[in-house]
Amino acid sequence: QSVLTQPPSVSGAPGQRVTISCTGSSSNIGAGYDVHWYQQLPGTAPKLLIYGNSNRPSGVPDRFSGSKSGTSASLAITGLQAEDEADYYCQSYDSSLSGSKGVVFGGGTKLTVL
Amino acid sequence: QVTLRESGPALVKPTQTLTLTCTFSGFSLSTSGMCVSWIRQPPGKALEWLALIDWDDDKYYSTSLKTRLTISKDTSKNQVVLTMTNMDPVDTATYYCARLADDSDAFDIWGQGTMVTVSS
Repeated sequence: QSVLTQPPSVSGAPGQRVTISCTGSSSNIGAGYDVHWYQQLPGTAPKLLIYGNSNRPSGVPDRFSGSKSGTSASLAITGLQAEDEADYYCQSYDSSLSGSKGVVFGGGTKLTVL
Repeated sequence: QVTLRESGPALVKPTQTLTLTCTFSGFSLSTSGMCVSWIRQPPGKALEWLALIDWDDDKYYSTSLKTRLTISKDTSKNQVVLTMTNMDPVDTATYYCARLADDSDAFDIWGQGTMVTVSS
């Protein structure tokens, strides 16, 4: 079981808006650690999509946005496109993992574009 | 341009030791703030962080796997090596190396990954 909880799957029609949640606790997201999001297209390596809760690396469309509140974070995708069909992972840090860097990932969410 | 590439055996037998090499370019692991990590992904499953080494040679390991992992670097060769002992079929996965961005603590660049199967 992942330290960060994501819904296993979400879906939406082209043009719609979808959100993916990432729920943590007081030792990770709630402790103030930033949340990062990665997109993994089928058969490829993960790619950084959102860093520092809400920042987009160069080249990432502004259809992708991130937010964080309390012990949770969310990834929103507007104007859904067929090429957005992928797995999405959130990542943060956890202070309870003593002796470790505390890197934690969510369980991943599969986005299906209907 | 920053790139990372993983290399190592595609097949290992149970109880053997796995050695993976991450060869990178476009940055130096002797630069303050730079870090390289290993992350794995079993088929159809989620990402799992394994280990990290930083520019100062500090090393960090997954609490659940720390007794089996060793990470090291060769700055002159631009390489990071991960060894995992006592391999088991449940360790079958794609293993990625990734750079940790010093300004955001996010994994900003990933290698393509190398698939490792553990089977007799």
